[in-house]
Amino acid sequence: DAKTTQPPSMDCAEGRAANLPCNHSTISGNEYVYWYRQIHSQGPQYIIHGLKNNETNEMASLIITEDRKSSTLILPHATLRDTAVYYCIVRFSITGTASKLTFGTGTRLQVTL
Amino acid sequence: GAVVSQHPSWVICKSGTSVKIECRSLDFQATTMFWYRQFPKQSLMLMATSNEGSKATYEQGVEKDKFLINHASLTLSTLTVTSAHPEDSSFYICSASRPPEAFFGQGTRLTVV
Repeated sequence: DAKTTQPPSMDCAEGRAANLPCNHSTISGNEYVYWYRQIHSQGPQYIIHGLKNNETNEMASLIITEDRKSSTLILPHATLRDTAVYYCIVRFSITGTASKLTFGTGTRLQVTL
Repeated sequence: GAVVSQHPSWVICKSGTSVKIECRSLDFQATTMFWYRQFPKQSLMLMATSNEGSKATYEQGVEKDKFLINHASLTLSTLTVTSAHPEDSSFYICSASRPPEAFFGQGTRLTVV
C-alpha cells in the first residue's frame, strides 16, 4: 500500500470548516484513499473513501487532486465532538476482497470554542 | 454502518494469567477479521489477520503462541493473550471486514499488574 503523509496536528474553531490534507504521491491507479478517525480511547470510525472523483457523505467531503497524489478531507462545520486523530490510508480495494489497513501517525485535530 | 462489538471494554489481570478478548460482528458475517494493538500516543499496529475456519496470519514480530487467535464462526473472533506480562498492557482493537469497508470494535484496554 502507498505511504501517506499528514501534518501531525491542526486546530479548528467550532463551526468553521476543517480541511485535513494528505499526501500520497506514490499511489497507484487502482488504490483507493480512505479516511478514518479515532476519538480518544475508542476504535477507529470510517468516514469516507474515494478513487479519483470527489466524494461527499453525511460526515464529510473528500477532494482528490486530478493527479491523485494528494487529497483533502473536509468537515464542513466542525464541532467539539470532531476532535480526534484522523487517518488517511491508501489501499488496494476490490469488492469481495478484504485487505488490511496500515495506519500512519495521522493528524490530531483539535476543535476549539 | 455495520456494528462490531468487542468484549470486554477493559480488563485488569495479574501477571502470568491469560485473557480472552472477543470480537463480534453483530449484523453481518465477516470472513476476515483483523486484530490491532495500540500503545499510548502511538498509531494502531496490525497484529494478525483472522480468517474464519483457518489459521490466523501474524505480522512479523508478533508471537503466535502468545497471542492465540480463533475465528470459529463468521461472526466471532477471539484473541487470547497468554501468560500476560506488564509489557502486554495496551489497547487492543479488532475490525471486521465487509469489503470495501472495515468496521472497528470499541477496543479493549488491557492492564497487566
